[in-house]
Amino acid sequence: NAGVTQTPKFRVLKTGQSMTLLCAQDMNHEYMYWYRQDPGMGLRLIHYSVGEGTTAKGEVPDGYNVSRLKKQNFLLGLESAAPSQTSVYFCASRGGLLSNDEQYFGPGTRLTVT
Amino acid sequence: GIQVEQSPPDLILQEGANSTLRCNFSDSVNNLQWFHQNPWGQLINLFYIPSGTKQNGRLSATTVATERYSLLYISSSQTTDSGVYFCAPRYSGAGSYQLTFGKGTKLSVIP
Repeated sequence: NAGVTQTPKFRVLKTGQSMTLLCAQDMNHEYMYWYRQDPGMGLRLIHYSVGEGTTAKGEVPDGYNVSRLKKQNFLLGLESAAPSQTSVYFCASRGGLLSNDEQYFGPGTRLTVT
Repeated sequence: GIQVEQSPPDLILQEGANSTLRCNFSDSVNNLQWFHQNPWGQLINLFYIPSGTKQNGRLSATTVATERYSLLYISSSQTTDSGVYFCAPRYSGAGSYQLTFGKGTKLSVIP
């Protein structure tokens, strides 16, 4: 039982390049989330999903897209990276309405855009 | 959205001292979690505590949802307690699915 895993752990991009961050969970959770954390700040929600095939915008969605084609995976895409997207990205999941409500986080992906 | 304020923003303790961290929130909640972010950046679940009191070793937490605050107590602090402590409630209104994070309390425990 690995919990929540993220790939890759580190990445450096040039401005304008694209990339996809992968989040996977093996707890059969319904809800999944992508957050970003900037220096000295708490976490801010980018996008989230309440089940397979669903996505919704969070607090800071601009410049990002997401997909939840399989229940266990939640992908975060950057189509044209900008220096303002330099941050640490965290994925999280929780069970849903009928199960344990506690939210669990992955180890994070550190992204630098030059 | 719900507003979350944590205090103090920074705290320096001598090893062995006790401390209380506070989290105030602006609306009714149906979930509240406390996390510890260690110096390597990992987020560790401490408590899931929408109401009441829980204890886990040297740490305990209390949430008084009707008065919109939560407290985290750390007793006999150790250097390994250093890091940032985040409070994250979830608004109980319809259509609310996510935790909202405060800016955290940065704790430094010195030997």
